[in-house]
Amino acid sequence: RKEVEQDPGPFNVPEGATVAFNCTYSNSASQSFFWYRQDCRKEPKLLMSVYSSGNEDGRFTAQLNRASQYISLLIRDSKLSDSATYLCVVNPGASGTYKYIFGTGTRLKVLA
Amino acid sequence: DGGITQSPKYLFRKEGQNVTLSCEQNLNHDAMYWYRQDPGQGLRLIYYSQIVNDFQKGDIAEGYSVSREKKESFPLTVTSAQKNPTAFYLCASSIRRDFGNTEAFFGQGTRLTVV
Repeated sequence: RKEVEQDPGPFNVPEGATVAFNCTYSNSASQSFFWYRQDCRKEPKLLMSVYSSGNEDGRFTAQLNRASQYISLLIRDSKLSDSATYLCVVNPGASGTYKYIFGTGTRLKVLA
Repeated sequence: DGGITQSPKYLFRKEGQNVTLSCEQNLNHDAMYWYRQDPGQGLRLIYYSQIVNDFQKGDIAEGYSVSREKKESFPLTVTSAQKNPTAFYLCASSIRRDFGNTEAFFGQGTRLTVV
């Protein structure tokens, strides 16, 4: 089983739609969770950290479910500019391995 | 401006040659990382370092070497032992905390092509 798993997509959605991505992780002791956005041939950039209580940033909402070991990203009112690959990232942290483990990414295409 | 600088942006290497990719950060971050990304793939960890003069192998360290002699620098050498080195290489850094790291910041990457 991969340490971090995501559906690769692509998710093709019309402008204005709501789309949700899930990501599962295998290490139950993981401490830190993030969503990154990566545009074609560019470096990943932080979209948002994911907190235990869930958090929202404008049209983006992230949730963490420790019991089921998954995190989610919800994008409301999709824009053309949201088209990118969304990477789920886990850092095991205090469990002894301070490194970032990336999922393979979920491709999103927002269509006009 | 603070940030991470990778150089060169594009690099061409002949088979059998070693090459070194540069990564410098002025964010005063303790931890630094090297990842490799192949087309349509996620990021795979090559090496990482939490403090100066210490580093650990990641998932795909074979054929690569690193050093961490200064806090701000973490160069990666791709040796001739690396069988398929053509890829997009990304360097990252973060603040290290005992309860887990803060977010990682990435350089713009180096595209290495073996010719």
